[in-house]
Formats: sequence, C-alpha cells, structure tokens
Amino acid sequence: DTAVSQTPKYLVTQMGNDKSIKCEQNLGHDTMYWYKQDSKKFLKIMFSYNNKELIINETVPNRFSPKSPDKAHLNLHINSLELGDSAVYFCASSQNSGNTIYFGEGSWLTVV
Amino acid sequence: AQSVTQLGSHVSVSEGALVLLRCNYSSSVPPYLFWYVQYPNQGLQLLLKYTTGATLVKGINGFEAEFKKSETSFHLTKPSAHMSDAAEYFCAVSDGNKLVFGAGTILRVKS
Repeated sequence: DTAVSQTPKYLVTQMGNDKSIKCEQNLGHDTMYWYKQDSKKFLKIMFSYNNKELIINETVPNRFSPKSPDKAHLNLHINSLELGDSAVYFCASSQNSGNTIYFGEGSWLTVV
Repeated sequence: AQSVTQLGSHVSVSEGALVLLRCNYSSSVPPYLFWYVQYPNQGLQLLLKYTTGATLVKGINGFEAEFKKSETSFHLTKPSAHMSDAAEYFCAVSDGNKLVFGAGTILRVKS
C-alpha cells in the first residue's frame, strides 16, 4: 500500500481554471505538507498542517488554498490557474514536525 | 534560517567508480540532515538521515554519509556506482517544522 498517495498524477489544464489535488497518508502521521518543485527542480515548502491546523504558510499566492478535513488528508485547491503554476506538487507527511518526511509520488501540473 | 548548498549541479562517474556528492549546510542549531533521491518522473525517496549519535550514517542502496560538524558538511558517498544510481539527489536540513532543500545534484553513471 502506498504510504502517501496523491491524485491526479498528471494534470493538464487551461489558464484561469480551478483545480484540486488530493492527498492521503496511511502512516498515522500527524503532520502533512505541500511542497512545490519548479522547472529547475528546486523544492520549496508551501504549507504544513499539524493535526488539521495550519502551521506553515509560506509566501504563496492566495489562489492556493489547502484544506485538511482530517489528519490523514491534505488537499490543495488552486484558483485561477496561471502559466507560472506549472510545476510538480508533492504531498508529504511526518510524525511530528522535524522528523523524517515521507513524500508522495508527485502531481505534475501543466497550465496551458 | 537553515540552508543547504550542494556543490555541483551535475556529477558524472563511470560504473564501478566512487560516487561523491557534496553537501554543506548552515544551521544555528544542531542540524537534522537528510539525503533524498529522485528518479525521473518519480517522487522523493529517503536515502538516509542524521539526527544525533554516530556521525557516519548508512542508508539504502549502499549509500552512506558522514556528518562533519567542523566542516558543516554531510557528503554522500557510495564506493561503487551502478547504472541504476543515475538520478537526482537532494540534501536537506530540518528547519523547525519543515525541510529546506539544496538545489539538487544530477548523477550520471557512464558504462
């Protein structure tokens, strides 16, 4: 069973659309994350939730809104998609902040 | 804030040769350090990590890394490269509630 699973894996959409990426972890972890990997492969954190509470919100446009309905799920909704949003988005989880972070397989978003 | 510098965006070695990927960190507190590997079109897989204790850390696939506080380094090594090691490798340091990643090093293995 996949520990951190995210869907969809590939997403191609037009500018201006709204899309969501879903993430679930079955590791029993209490902290979940969204990381963004840009075209140069640089990885940067976007959000982190601990027990459904937002604890990290980096300088991300308001068009990005995470939602954590429970400890095992952290979804990412993106409004009014722009070309620059094209990237790979990784969901991840850890048991307590600061411990090893386990990543999902990534969601490849292409905005055309 | 913590930061990581990976020296060399591309490293090329022959199959069977030593692999050395360099990572230097900056941290105001004792660091937790990690190496992750990313194969093409895949997610990040943890290779190894250093938290406390023994400074030589062994990971999966024959990789190991040594934490050297005096040099603020955490270089990744493997005695003998295999074709399947070709991937991108990321060093990361724990910064409170998140990981801060280096820019990555692409490892190419020549036959």
